Amino acid sequence: DAGVIQSPRHEVTEMGQEVTLRCKPISGHDYLFWYRQTMMRGLELLIYFNNNVPIDDSGMPEDRFSAKMPNASFSTLKIQPSEPRDSAVYFCASSPTTGAWAEETQYFGPGTRLLVL
Amino acid sequence: DQQVKQNSPSLSVQEGRISILNCDYTNSMFDYFLWYKKYPAEGPTFLISISSIKDKNEDGRFTVFLNKSAKHLSLHIVPSQPGDSAVYFCAGSTNAGKSTFGDGTTLTVKP
Repeated sequence: DAGVIQSPRHEVTEMGQEVTLRCKPISGHDYLFWYRQTMMRGLELLIYFNNNVPIDDSGMPEDRFSAKMPNASFSTLKIQPSEPRDSAVYFCASSPTTGAWAEETQYFGPGTRLLVL
Repeated sequence: DQQVKQNSPSLSVQEGRISILNCDYTNSMFDYFLWYKKYPAEGPTFLISISSIKDKNEDGRFTVFLNKSAKHLSLHIVPSQPGDSAVYFCAGSTNAGKSTFGDGTTLTVKP
């Protein structure tokens, strides 16, 4: 398996532009997570899906951020309009479903490094 | 409220010696604790976990200890190797579906 795939790996954009980050989870995994990593806030969970349905989006910073999962093999995280403070590394992760969810590890993608000028 | 804290941003040890990475938490509802390892330009990868009903879990050179009364866990790496140099994240997980990560500790193992 190729693992979790994220694109693009790097994105440089100007303030006010729309940014779309993409993720392909590991086949068969029912959970998908979006994280953001910054120096100030560490690794924070933005939103996660179970079977393509958003379960908890309480970590989404504001209305400029939106995430979708139209099918089991694809998810997007969109920022519109982007701001310099959105500059961070965005990780997508997926996890299988088991009877004991808490012990399941998450498999992370390589991340998208976003720079908003 | 930061539910998972790694108070040491960095740690440096000599090759062959023991590395001890610490983590404190405040959420009593965590069912599992997990350690992830992250190399530059890569995503975190799972290293070892421990159930909240246990106090120790060992996997090769890696051992995690949990002290529930102190809400503290630690990761021991013995012996430390230069390839262990990375950022280590501690995370608490619940069956409700969320994992909460600490800020990470950068471990440097010197040859």
